[in-house]
Formats: sequence, structure tokens, C-alpha cells
Amino acid sequence: GESVGLHLPTLSVQEGDNSIINCAYSNSASDYFIWYKQESGKGPQFIIDIRSNMDKRQGQRVTVLLNKTVKHLSLQIAATQPGDSAVYFCAEKGGNNFNKFYFGSGTKLNVKP
Amino acid sequence: NAGVTQTPKFQVLKTGQSMTLQCAQDMNHEYMSWYRQDPGMGLRLIHYSVGAGITDQGEVPNGYNVSRSTTEDFPLRLLSAAPSQTSVYFCASSKFLTETQYFGPGTRLLVL
Repeated sequence: GESVGLHLPTLSVQEGDNSIINCAYSNSASDYFIWYKQESGKGPQFIIDIRSNMDKRQGQRVTVLLNKTVKHLSLQIAATQPGDSAVYFCAEKGGNNFNKFYFGSGTKLNVKP
Repeated sequence: NAGVTQTPKFQVLKTGQSMTLQCAQDMNHEYMSWYRQDPGMGLRLIHYSVGAGITDQGEVPNGYNVSRSTTEDFPLRLLSAAPSQTSVYFCASSKFLTETQYFGPGTRLLVL
């Protein structure tokens, strides 16, 4: 199956700083990517998505960048807040697997007040 | 809308016992799936369904069965529980085409 991984398992940032969480994927045919946030004891929560025909997509305080050349995905969080502390997962939908998602192992974001 | 609901929240089983994890959604979503999450790992797909009466295997289907008799419900059955099935199980659903998945709160399963 596809391999979706993360460069940094733990990221600590100061409140108010910007955070960047990275993700590598292996299937060049993947056509859809999602970032999820998971707080302790809860299920993953959708943050933002991007399709393979886009390079960048912005939401409220979050931006996802997709670099298909190097198969790299990143999540940028502006003005990080204590409530952003969680584990962040990227998920990849393989182009040949119509509705199968493959998840990375997650990055834990710690926001220091 | 209640979204995606899962029961029970926590369960302890002995090796060899069977049980069913319940999942329901009230959003009229066609696509439903089951994942397991082990410590330090991402979610792994067990089974999924693209509509009532249609199911398919994910990455780690062995030891689990599913059925989809209605759009709303997607139960996961453990046939003969093993300690390796100790995990947190998440159910998710989405509209068939929009693909954004909504997750339930999870079921923590401990197999002794």
C-alpha cells in the first residue's frame, strides 16, 4: 500500500508563532490529501484538504501546500494557539483506490504559552 | 445531527470472545469505514463500504467482518478476539463524492 510519513514526530512552538508540519507521500498517483487534527481521547477532526491539481489552499489560519514534484505536503498554522496542541495527521487517497485513505503516523504539536 | 456515533466507548474482552462494535451516522453518507489506531501509529483501514450492501477490505481486514444492511449503520465484528486486536477503533463516514471523512469518538478495546 501507499506510504505516508512525517518528517518530525514532535514539534514544539511558542504561542503566537507559526507552525509548519510536514508530510511525505510515496504514491505519485494520489489525487487527494487531507490534514486531520486529533486531540487526546478524540477522533480525528478534518482541518483542510487539497486536490492534486492545486499547489496551495488556504483556510482559517491554516494553509496546505502540495509539492507533487517531491511528493511533499505541508500544513502551516498561523499564530499558533494553545488550542492547536494536538496530533496532526496527513492522509492520502490513492488515485487507483477510489475511496481508500492512507494515514501517516502523526506529528505531535506542543504549543508553549 | 448527532454525526458519527460509536458504541461502546470502552470494552474488555478475553481471548477468543466475539463482539460487535457499533457505528451509526445520521448524515445520509454513502461511504463508511473502520480504522484501528495503535500507539504511535497512524490510522489503518480495516474495512470500508461505498453504500448499503457493498463492503470491501482495507489494509488490515483479518479477524474482522463487516456488513452494511442500511445506509446508517456499519457494524464491525470481531470473530475471535486476540491480544493483537487491542487498539482504538474509529468509524468514519463521508459523502461518496466529496470525500471529507467525519470520524466518531472511537472505541477503546482491550483484549486480555
